[in-house]
Amino acid sequence: EDQVTQSPEALRLQEGESSSLNCSYTVSGLRGLFWYRQDPGKGPEFLFTLYSAGEEKEKERLKATLTKKESFLHITAPKPEDSATYLCAVRVAGGTSYGKLTFGQGTILTVHP
Amino acid sequence: ETGVTQTPRHLVMGMTNKKSLKCEQHLGHNAMYWYKQSAKKPLELMFVYNFKEQTENNSVPSRFSPECPNSSHLFLHLHTLQPEDSALYLCASSQYPTGRGEKLFFGSGTQLSVL
Repeated sequence: EDQVTQSPEALRLQEGESSSLNCSYTVSGLRGLFWYRQDPGKGPEFLFTLYSAGEEKEKERLKATLTKKESFLHITAPKPEDSATYLCAVRVAGGTSYGKLTFGQGTILTVHP
Repeated sequence: ETGVTQTPRHLVMGMTNKKSLKCEQHLGHNAMYWYKQSAKKPLELMFVYNFKEQTENNSVPSRFSPECPNSSHLFLHLHTLQPEDSALYLCASSQYPTGRGEKLFFGSGTQLSVL
C-alpha cells in the first residue's frame, strides 16, 4: 500500500531560523511528488512538483528537493507569513485511478516574529 | 470571479437532513474532484469527474451522491449523514485528470458539521 509520512507534525520557528520539513514515501512507480501550502480556512495551494531523484525547485524562501525515498522542503530565513500547513502528496503509476494523489498528514509550521 | 468557488462555506445539518454542496470552477478545466479533509487525517479523494463523466468513486458511502452537469460545476448531495462525516469538504479542478505534473486547484471548502 502506498504511504506518505510527513515529519514533524508541527514545527515552531523564530523568524529567520531556517529549517526543513520531511516527506518520506513508500510507493511503487512514482509519477510525481507535490508540495502544497494550506492556510487556515482555505484549500491547499500548489507549490512544487518534483519528478526524479536529484531534482530541486525553488520559490522565494522555499526549496524542495527529492531523493528516491523522501523529499525535503527547506525554508530559508522564514517570515511569519510562511506560517501554514505544508502538505506533501505523491502520484503513482498504474491502476485505473485518474488524478489520484496520496497525501501525507501535513506539517503545521508556525513562525514567530 | 476566478479560481474555484465553493458554497456554502459552513453547513450544520441534522442526521435526517438533505443538503447539497456546490462547486464552480472558472479556470476552463476539464476534471473536477471532491476531497474530504478530517482533523488530523490526510486528504481523502472521494470522487473524480473527467469531462463530466465520473471516473473514480473511492469507495464512498452512498449517502454521498455527486453530480457533474458540466465541466464547470460539481455538486455533492448529502443525505442521512453520520456525525463522523463532519469534516472539511474540498472541491478541486485540474486541466486534465492524468499525466505528469497535473496540479490541482482547490476551493476554500465547506466546513460540514453533522449533529
